[in-house]
Amino acid sequence: QQQVKQSPQSLIVQKGGISIINCAYENTAFDYFPWYQQFPGKGPALLIAIRPDVSEKKEGRFTISFNKSAKQFSLHIMDSQPGDSATYFCAASMQGGSEKLVFGKGTKLTVNP
Amino acid sequence: KAGVTQTPRYLIKTRGQQVTLSCSPISGHRSVSWYQQTPGQGLQFLFEYFSETQRNKGNFPGRFSGRQFSNSRSEMNVSTLELGDSALYLCASSFALEADTQYFGPGTRLTVL
Repeated sequence: QQQVKQSPQSLIVQKGGISIINCAYENTAFDYFPWYQQFPGKGPALLIAIRPDVSEKKEGRFTISFNKSAKQFSLHIMDSQPGDSATYFCAASMQGGSEKLVFGKGTKLTVNP
Repeated sequence: KAGVTQTPRYLIKTRGQQVTLSCSPISGHRSVSWYQQTPGQGLQFLFEYFSETQRNKGNFPGRFSGRQFSNSRSEMNVSTLELGDSALYLCASSFALEADTQYFGPGTRLTVL
């Protein structure tokens, strides 16, 4: 059973546009939701994270929107740049859980110049 | 502060062999987790170590094992390699067992022939 479902698998956006990636989770015990960015040949790097007591968190051009009742959260990249082209992973975890982090399958973002 | 380092970066083995991968966490970090990344299954949690003890384990066969040393450095071992073990193996460190934020290394690319 896939605990965190991520969509879309791939996304193509024009420079300056808004990139939106969505994730849905099943386990209501999850209490930490990070987004990771991964470039080819590199390990995932933490981008931004949110906890369920907050509905939105913004850091620069990156915003997480969190909907607890719908068990969904999304990443918005404003003014997308070619340098943002990477694979993005949402994840979830909970204190005392058997897995440190449960990841979505990833979204490959391509930002065209 | 230096990031998470993993050695070797690339490995080629044949079926039936065993392999040992090494991870040095960020200085001061005491929790080390291992993940397997494949195109088909994405990022999957293998196990987590803290204070030289395995604290959590993912759904992988017993051929996958690990250990942590008193300086928090960690190794993982895969015995009787199978073709399906070809993957990027990622190590991540966090400050403490309860800490949510994990920092990933660049990974070890294992190819099993």
